[in-house]
Amino acid sequence: SQQGEEDPQALSIQEGENATMNCSYKTSINNLQWYRQNSGRGLVHLILIRSNEREKHSGRLRVTLDTSKKSSSLLITASRAADTASYFCATDATRGYSTLTFGKGTMLLVSP
Amino acid sequence: DAGVIQSPRHEVTEMGQEVTLRCKPISGHDYLFWYRQTMMRGLELLIYFNNNVPIDDSGMPEDRFSAKMPNASFSTLKIQPSEPRDSAVYFCASSSGLAREQFFGPGTRLTVL
Repeated sequence: SQQGEEDPQALSIQEGENATMNCSYKTSINNLQWYRQNSGRGLVHLILIRSNEREKHSGRLRVTLDTSKKSSSLLITASRAADTASYFCATDATRGYSTLTFGKGTMLLVSP
Repeated sequence: DAGVIQSPRHEVTEMGQEVTLRCKPISGHDYLFWYRQTMMRGLELLIYFNNNVPIDDSGMPEDRFSAKMPNASFSTLKIQPSEPRDSAVYFCASSSGLAREQFFGPGTRLTVL
């Protein structure tokens, strides 16, 4: 299966700390995306990193991609209570026409 | 743009009843996706359309599920008859490319008693 898998399944930190979530996948990809889902809401796109990129930043978000290890990490710096949400990685395979395949997510709890 | 719109937001029905979920994608997007999310199985792609044409429905669990997209601004997902195991949150998403950023609706929480 192409499905990405996030690690850890759940993460609990204090405000101001950094949060790191990891995603592993199985086959070659064109790009990898990260999404956030607040409780009871739809997923919201955070960032896209292409297979030929190694690192990308967006505000307090930093994403890395290591295609040799088939893994990605999402770092949220100086976390806030509002960052509490589930975070999903999504990949599309290079083979044929590929839709996005989502992992099961990491639940992040940021306590004040 | 108001984003992807789904209705209803919540649906409670009894086993055996027909359920119809509705979606209005973002104007100009040529791809529309229907997903189902449960704790056990995560986010599953049920079916997707390109320019109103169903492309891949291999994720549709059974013949009880059907989806249509009669025009570029409207899609439905129908379950007939519904069963308790269909209880889940159903999301509609749209995008301007197959593997590009997807914009999700708020979802419909379906409970089948």
